[in-house]
Amino acid sequence: AAGVIQSPRHLIKEKRETATLKCYPIPRHDTVYWYQQGPGQDPQFLISFYEKMQSDKGSIPDRFSAQQFSDYHSELNMSSLELGDSALYFCASSHRGRRGTDTQYFGPGTRLTVL
Amino acid sequence: GEDVEQSLFLSVREGDSSVINCTYTDSSSTYLYWYKQEPGAGLQLLTYIFSNMDMKQDQRLTVLLNKKDKHLSLRIADTQTGDSAIYFCAGNSGNTPLVFGKGTRLSVIA
Repeated sequence: AAGVIQSPRHLIKEKRETATLKCYPIPRHDTVYWYQQGPGQDPQFLISFYEKMQSDKGSIPDRFSAQQFSDYHSELNMSSLELGDSALYFCASSHRGRRGTDTQYFGPGTRLTVL
Repeated sequence: GEDVEQSLFLSVREGDSSVINCTYTDSSSTYLYWYKQEPGAGLQLLTYIFSNMDMKQDQRLTVLLNKKDKHLSLRIADTQTGDSAIYFCAGNSGNTPLVFGKGTRLSVIA
């Protein structure tokens, strides 16, 4: 079965640079979530989109922005990168069924290292 | 907001059963999930339970939910070395972001 695709899988950037992470949800999924997992930490919610509109907002820094496109893929744009942004970034997708179920399936993650 | 707590470490012998526990604070959490994360890898959905259920079994996995105590457990029968990983408990209220526990690191001793 098709899974969530994230690219790139690994990314190395210098401080103050920008980065763009991409997420391709499971076909027919209409909702995308972004999570950040620091070393030894649990995943923390950043932002989500449903049908191309922002749905919920978590602890996403102002330096980050994201959007969901007409083909449902999503991009997380990160500017003025800081050392503390080094983390594993997960995208998850789901389909919002009529019963309100929203089982989220995660991609393999993008490991961002800021030097 | 929701707070999810788990014990951090569990060590079991191969072939024994493992029980990973989780407590949550938000009684409106209607969906509770268990995810598995192997080193350097993504989050694999293992199983989930709706709050109107108290037990769910899926092959070697059994999930028990005690709504009164807001306690969730994951039992892995006949634990194998391949089960060594970090197990995250997470909850949400339908179409909302997941709130994760800190994760329980399961070590299986051969």
